Amino acid sequence: DAGVIQSPRHEVTEMGQEVTLRCKPISGHDYLFWYRQTMMRGLELLIYFNNNVPIDDSGMPEDRFSAKMPNASFSTLKIQPSEPRDSAVYFCASRGQGRGYTFGSGTRLTVV
Amino acid sequence: SQQGEEDPQALSIQEGENATMNCSYKTSINNLQWYRQNSGRGLVHLILIRSNEREKHSGRLRVTLDTSKKSSSLLITASRAADTASYFCATALYNTDKLIFGTGTRLQVFP
Repeated sequence: DAGVIQSPRHEVTEMGQEVTLRCKPISGHDYLFWYRQTMMRGLELLIYFNNNVPIDDSGMPEDRFSAKMPNASFSTLKIQPSEPRDSAVYFCASRGQGRGYTFGSGTRLTVV
Repeated sequence: SQQGEEDPQALSIQEGENATMNCSYKTSINNLQWYRQNSGRGLVHLILIRSNEREKHSGRLRVTLDTSKKSSSLLITASRAADTASYFCATALYNTDKLIFGTGTRLQVFP
């Protein structure tokens, strides 16, 4: 089991550019979560999916953020246009029934 | 918004000593979980305690939960330098699938 796989590990982009973060959850896990971690705000839940359906996106900061899960093995988080305040580590996590979450290694995003 | 507040924010101890971290939360929960994060890495699930449980053990870890006080504690016994990390409590909110993380405790174990 390769765990939750996120790509890229690091992303540096210029303000105004579109950024796409990718996540492959653990096979068989029916929940997928996107979190953002910063020093100032800690770990924030952005959005989560159950069986590929978005359930709660109340944590998505602005309309510039969007997330999709086209199938059980892939999800994307897109920021368009990106801003310097979006700089953070973005984590994806998946979960099976009645278990703890498995986190990916994260994508460190820097917007300059 | 943060559901959990952890105490202390930072803790430094010697190898072999016990480390205790506390977590308080605000709303009703299905369960409470503890995670470890090494610097620059993702979070690793340590232990889950359900709302109807009061204590749980896993190896050198002991977790307690007091739902009347909305608080939990994590005890790491006989600490090792490799336990150096940040520890987070996370609450699974009642009747939802949302897992909300606390502010974390930075633990430093000196050899």
